[in-house]
Amino acid sequence: SQTIHQWPATLVQPVGSPLSLECTVEGTSNPNLYWYRQAAGRGLQLLFYSVGIGQISSEVPQNLSASRPQDRQFILSSKKLLLSDSGFYLCALRWTVSSGNTIYFGEGSWLTVV
Amino acid sequence: ELKVEQNPLFLSMQEGKNYTIYCNYSTTSDRLYWYRQDPGKSLESLFVLLSNGAVKQEGRLMASLDTKARLSTLHITAAVHDLSATYFCARTFGDYKLSFGAGTTVTVRA
Repeated sequence: SQTIHQWPATLVQPVGSPLSLECTVEGTSNPNLYWYRQAAGRGLQLLFYSVGIGQISSEVPQNLSASRPQDRQFILSSKKLLLSDSGFYLCALRWTVSSGNTIYFGEGSWLTVV
Repeated sequence: ELKVEQNPLFLSMQEGKNYTIYCNYSTTSDRLYWYRQDPGKSLESLFVLLSNGAVKQEGRLMASLDTKARLSTLHITAAVHDLSATYFCARTFGDYKLSFGAGTTVTVRA
């Protein structure tokens, strides 16, 4: 079965500092990968998705970027964090072969920008 | 604009009684998802509903889909404390991208 690893699990970063959140999946090949953010007052929002290596689509304009350097790795980055970037970041996976229509979520990364 | 509306947003349940959470969506969708989230945790997949009239059950939870009414329901039978959590419905658009409702926070009391 497929698994999703996210790290770090928790981090506190000052405003203006860079960010890198990593998502690595196992037990899949060529999955669709997604980054969601859950923030107070804004619910669960899709930020980026990727259907393959180097293919990134952004859903909302923001201070963040994403990259997919390998089939099973999805990275969320920022050059300069804003207070509004605080939230719970979730990586999600959809793999046609095994999961069919199910979309699974990783354990998440809590980001607090101070 | 894609809209997914859940109600109620907060639900206080008495143990042993039955309750329903409603999920309305604004445009036609192929798939409707239900997730559970415990405090401080990630999302756990409960159900995926694919077609009109689809009904799925797991334990005390049953989900159904009416695509003509653009409505899905999550029915809870004989609530127990373990069911206290936040429940989200979501519909897909594009490449299995999810648009979520605001969530229903359920508290089960004795």
